[in-house]
Amino acid sequence: GAGVSQSPRYKVAKRGQDVALRCDPISGHVSLFWYQQALGQGPEFLTYFQNEAQLDKSGLPSDRFFAERPEGSVSTLKIQRTQQEDSAVYLCASSLRGGTGTGDYGYTFGSGTRLTVV
Amino acid sequence: AQSVTQPDIHITVSEGASLELRCNYSYGATPYLFWYVQSPGQGLQLLLKYFSGDTLVQGIKGFEAEFKRSQSSFNLRKPSVHWSDAAEYFCAVGETYKYIFGTGTRLKVLA
Repeated sequence: GAGVSQSPRYKVAKRGQDVALRCDPISGHVSLFWYQQALGQGPEFLTYFQNEAQLDKSGLPSDRFFAERPEGSVSTLKIQRTQQEDSAVYLCASSLRGGTGTGDYGYTFGSGTRLTVV
Repeated sequence: AQSVTQPDIHITVSEGASLELRCNYSYGATPYLFWYVQSPGQGLQLLLKYFSGDTLVQGIKGFEAEFKRSQSSFNLRKPSVHWSDAAEYFCAVGETYKYIFGTGTRLKVLA
């Protein structure tokens, strides 16, 4: 597609509920990233995929967070047993290149999914 | 550890006035530096980026930024602000694939 598409745009979950957030990157983009943006803060890195391989998941806050990109295109971020502190905007980004060259081009971000846990 | 500081949480300028948003970074090597803009309910749009070479970088929408190694700064400037520039601005430093963002500066433009 022309841009990075994320769905849903808004998600309200009851505490303890599982949620799944979807990201469709730009076609052909090798790298895919998930960031978490809490209210009034800058985005914080969660995880990085190069094609289908998850090369870095050091930013995932807990084992309740899980991300996958099984065919190297669409990615899903899953949060199990949601807590109030999970409320944030979850941003997906993609980049044409992979590896150390990824930073050269800058990411293209999606519009994000705003998750509210009540 | 790498870090980015945006000292100004809010800035208000009149339409037509000049603008400078401050960004200081902490990074051991030559950094990749970026400025992004985020309008309400939207994702982040890349304004400009610096990797090497000329320290004055031109971006979209009439923005420019200057890399000053001696001051560890990468300030964003615009000579004449338009009402449509009201948004939140994020400075970021890139380490290979991972970016570290500042906490942002919210710009308000007075008519």
